[in-house]
This record gives sequence, structure tokens and C-alpha cells, in this order.
Amino acid sequence: DAEITQSPRHKITETGRQVTLACHQTWNHNNMFWYRQDLGHGLRLIHYSYGVQDTNKGEVSDGYSVSRSNTEDLPLTLESAASSQTSVYFCASSDLAATDTQYFGPGTRLTVL
Amino acid sequence: GQQVMQIPQYQHVQEGEDFTTYCNSSTTLSNIQWYKQRPGGHPVFLIQLVKSGEVKKQKRLTFQFGEAKKNSSLHITATQTTDVGTYFCAGLNAGGTSYGKLTFGQGTILTVHP
Repeated sequence: DAEITQSPRHKITETGRQVTLACHQTWNHNNMFWYRQDLGHGLRLIHYSYGVQDTNKGEVSDGYSVSRSNTEDLPLTLESAASSQTSVYFCASSDLAATDTQYFGPGTRLTVL
Repeated sequence: GQQVMQIPQYQHVQEGEDFTTYCNSSTTLSNIQWYKQRPGGHPVFLIQLVKSGEVKKQKRLTFQFGEAKKNSSLHITATQTTDVGTYFCAGLNAGGTSYGKLTFGQGTILTVHP
């Protein structure tokens, strides 16, 4: 069955370190998204991609970067982790030709000490 | 930019009581979607509304899309403990270049007391 996976599921890191969160989908979806979830803020969009080699900034993109070298993967990199980036991160994908329904991965809980 | 406001942020109900969450957009929407996130889980798609004034039902859940396509509501009749979770609305902006990009409300956290 097609699915979307994230790794790691939990990560503890130190301030200033570079961290990469992986997202892999087997739906063959064109669109992929990264969100962070914090209490009181809901889901806030970090970066998104409409296809290979396409990346776009979301509303909270500072301190994050993404790259899209193939359809299946959209890794999220925190260049220099900060305590304010402690959060739960969700990756999602949607089909260009469908109803824009987004399918979410299980999430990565990141703690920056 | 587009904003989607959702109220209330929290709702505690006794099992059997009804529950409603409201969603308002600052701009006209192409469609609106609702997602449910169980505690410790990830958001899962529930339904999409596209037409002005549309009403859809899923068992005890009733979803409405406003006539102006700027607001929506989710109503749960006779809540059960399995309804516990966070309910998000997410709007797709009408027109523009935001194809496929949803703007999520802050979510309503529902607690059901047995």
C-alpha cells in the first residue's frame, strides 16, 4: 500500500547543530509539504514543493531549508537548530490532479536543547 | 496573506452532548477541508466541501460551508469518547498561485468526559 513515512520519529539535538528530517512518500504525489505543530498555533507551513526541483517558502521558513531531487522525498534541514524549533514536524503530500486532500506522515518530535 | 481562524480553541463536553467548531477565512475559499488528529497521532482527512452552502453528513458529524465560501462549521451530535482529538479546518484559497496549498486553522481540541 502507498504510504508516507517520516524519520526519525523522535530526535533530541543541541543548539547550533544541523538536523535533517526525512520524508518519503510512495503515493507518487507531486505536492509535498512540511508543517510544524505547536500548541495554540495549529499547523504552520514551513516549506512546500510542487514537483522535482521546485521548492517554496511557507509562513515560517526562517532557519529551515528543503530540496526536492526526486518525487518521493522532501527532506527538511534545520541549518543551525534553535530551541524555538522544538516542535512536532509533519510532512504531507497531495496529488496534483486530485482534490488537494493532504496525506500526513506520522510526525517527528524534535527537541532542541 | 490568507488567514483561517478557528474557534473555540478548547472544548470540554460530557459524553452525549453536542459539539460545534467554527472556521472563518479572511478570503474567499475554493474549498474547505476538515481533518481530525487523535491524541499522539497525525491529521487525517475527514471531508471536503466545495459548493457554496454545501452541507455534508458523516454519521454523527455534520459539515457546512457558508454561502459566501468564507466560513464553515463542524457539528458532532451526541459525542462519544472516540470523538476525542483535535479538529482542524483547512482552506484552499480561491484563485491566485496557492494551488494545492492549504491554510490550516489553529484547531479545536475536543475532550469528552465519560
